[in-house]
Amino acid sequence: EAGVTQFPSHSVIEKGQTVTLRCDPISGHDNLYWYRRVMGKEIKFLLHFVKESKQDESGMPNNRFLAERTGGTYSTLKVQPAELEDSGVYFCASSPSAAGGFYEQYFGPGTRLTVT
Amino acid sequence: KNQVEQSPQSLIILEGKNCTLQCNYTVSPFSNLRWYKQDTGRGPVSLTIMTFSENTKSNGRYTATLDADTKQSSLHITASQLSDSASYICVVSLRNTGGFKTIFGAGTRLFVKA
Repeated sequence: EAGVTQFPSHSVIEKGQTVTLRCDPISGHDNLYWYRRVMGKEIKFLLHFVKESKQDESGMPNNRFLAERTGGTYSTLKVQPAELEDSGVYFCASSPSAAGGFYEQYFGPGTRLTVT
Repeated sequence: KNQVEQSPQSLIILEGKNCTLQCNYTVSPFSNLRWYKQDTGRGPVSLTIMTFSENTKSNGRYTATLDADTKQSSLHITASQLSDSASYICVVSLRNTGGFKTIFGAGTRLFVKA
């Protein structure tokens, strides 16, 4: 079974440019999460999809970030325009639905974003 | 404020030795606590998951403990191997009206030397 995949693995862009990150969850997983780790800090939650709906987007830092999950399969996270402080590693995770909501999350390898 | 604190920040041990990593949390209402291992350049991989009623869980050479009263957890690694060199992250989930929220610790960086 394929795990969670993310593309690209590394992106270097200039301040003001746009970048789109992609996440392909494990097939059949309804839940998809985006997280971010900035240099030297802990991983932080960005948002949570259940199928194609945004269940919780309380962690999105500002309106320069836009996440979509059309059709409830893969998801994209667009940063427009990128700022220096957006540099970090963006992780995607997915999990199946479970009665009572207790579930395991499977992480992708992350996309390292560098904004110069 | 919901927080997860891990100690030590980093640790160096010799191959074959045991070690214990600590995690203290102030998260409410508590749902579950997980320990993850993260190798360099990879995503976190789950080692153990514990709910409120569980106080110990093992996964091979990894044993996690949970004291929900004192809000402390530990991860004990027995007979360490070079491949155990990684970051170990404590993650606590809380349940709110919107579902579950996860709070990550900053991790403990473990170096196992031959």
